[in-house]
Amino acid sequence: DSGVTQTPKHLITATGQRVTLRCSPRSGDLSVYWYQQSLDQGLQFLIQYYNGEERAKGNILERFSAQQFPDLHSELNLSSLELGDSALYFCASSVEADELGELFFGEGSRLTVL
Amino acid sequence: DQQVKQNSPSLSVQEGRISILNCDYTNSMFDYFLWYKKYPAEGPTFLISISSIKDKNEDGRFTVFLNKSAKHLSLHIVPSQPGDSAVYFCAASALYNYGQNFVFGPGTRLSVLP
Repeated sequence: DSGVTQTPKHLITATGQRVTLRCSPRSGDLSVYWYQQSLDQGLQFLIQYYNGEERAKGNILERFSAQQFPDLHSELNLSSLELGDSALYFCASSVEADELGELFFGEGSRLTVL
Repeated sequence: DQQVKQNSPSLSVQEGRISILNCDYTNSMFDYFLWYKKYPAEGPTFLISISSIKDKNEDGRFTVFLNKSAKHLSLHIVPSQPGDSAVYFCAASALYNYGQNFVFGPGTRLSVLP
């Protein structure tokens, strides 16, 4: 158990819809990262937050947005969903913003867009 | 443009033998490298890391070798066990890169045969 909690574990929705994925980082971790893993693809970095502020942005689509709340949990919002958005979405956390160390990953949220 | 490459999508090894997983990177600014292991339906878990000031790091059955001139690193697992069967991700980070902290390779699926 990494200490990172992601909900929901599975989500099935239709094209054009909007979903919200939630992540609670490990206790004490200030930094949250979101990654996308599509079928047979590696982990693609989407976005990072540190203590409520956006820290770094990767290949995140404009239809996607995220935020980190004062209690440090984070939400990833995916809108106008397309079939290609079907993927595993992982949240990870670390203590610092630029720490050279471990990321602790949640179990992921599997999104299926039909 | 893949900055971190794992050119073998899969690898099969007999139990007790050595598993060697390879990773190549293109960005010479990367100076910290990590390996993650991922079982099905779980998030990736940290395995071992190495900083660019070293060329080898050992932790039990796992050893990571770094060849900076070749921009290549490898993970050796000796002896391989059936429980090592998983997808292994190589990740790289640049200490002073304020942007994307970790870049992941596409992964190599290791199967250890009993």
